[in-house]
Amino acid sequence: DAMVIQNPRYQVTQFGKPVTLSCSQTLNHNVMYWYQQKSSQAPKLLFHYYDKDFNNEADTPDNFQSRRPNTSFCFLDIRSPGLGDAAMYLCATSRDGLQETQYFGPGTRLLVL
Amino acid sequence: SQQGEEDPQALSIQEGENATMNCSYKTSINNLQWYRQNSGRGLVHLILIRSNEREKHSGRLRVTLDTSKKSSSLLITASRAADTASYFCATAGRARQLTFGSGTQLTVLP
Repeated sequence: DAMVIQNPRYQVTQFGKPVTLSCSQTLNHNVMYWYQQKSSQAPKLLFHYYDKDFNNEADTPDNFQSRRPNTSFCFLDIRSPGLGDAAMYLCATSRDGLQETQYFGPGTRLLVL
Repeated sequence: SQQGEEDPQALSIQEGENATMNCSYKTSINNLQWYRQNSGRGLVHLILIRSNEREKHSGRLRVTLDTSKKSSSLLITASRAADTASYFCATAGRARQLTFGSGTQLTVLP
């Protein structure tokens, strides 16, 4: 089935140790999004790609970077995780992004020790 | 900044009862969407209502939109224990992103 896949589902890292979360999609959608969601809060958009065009949200810390090597894959790199970066990270896609439905992966829960 | 605010923050009802959640937003929209999130999982799209629509149905879901009041409601009829989840509204403007509301945690007691 076409879907959005995130690996790993759970990630434990140490304070300051770089970590990469991955997302892949079989929907062939143009737009891929990364959200951060903390407990009992709304998802907060970090950035999105429209094809290869990267769009960063103004309040996304520099500690967060992203790569999209091809249509199917998108990575979230956290260069120096702090305790405050512990959260659920959600990847989503949409066909063209403009006022459309988004399709979410199951999320990766990040724990920072 | 967060566009949507939802109320109530938490709602607990008995199985078989109806559940109503409300969403308010601040700026003009193209459409408004509702998503569901089971604990520890990703969001699942439920229904989309366009700015020129006033009401939409999908199975046991009924969504209304009042653009003059900048508000929407989601009604789940004949609720089931499996409906227990967080429900988020999200508004779509002119850009490619959605802005999510704060969410309502619904608990349906068997």
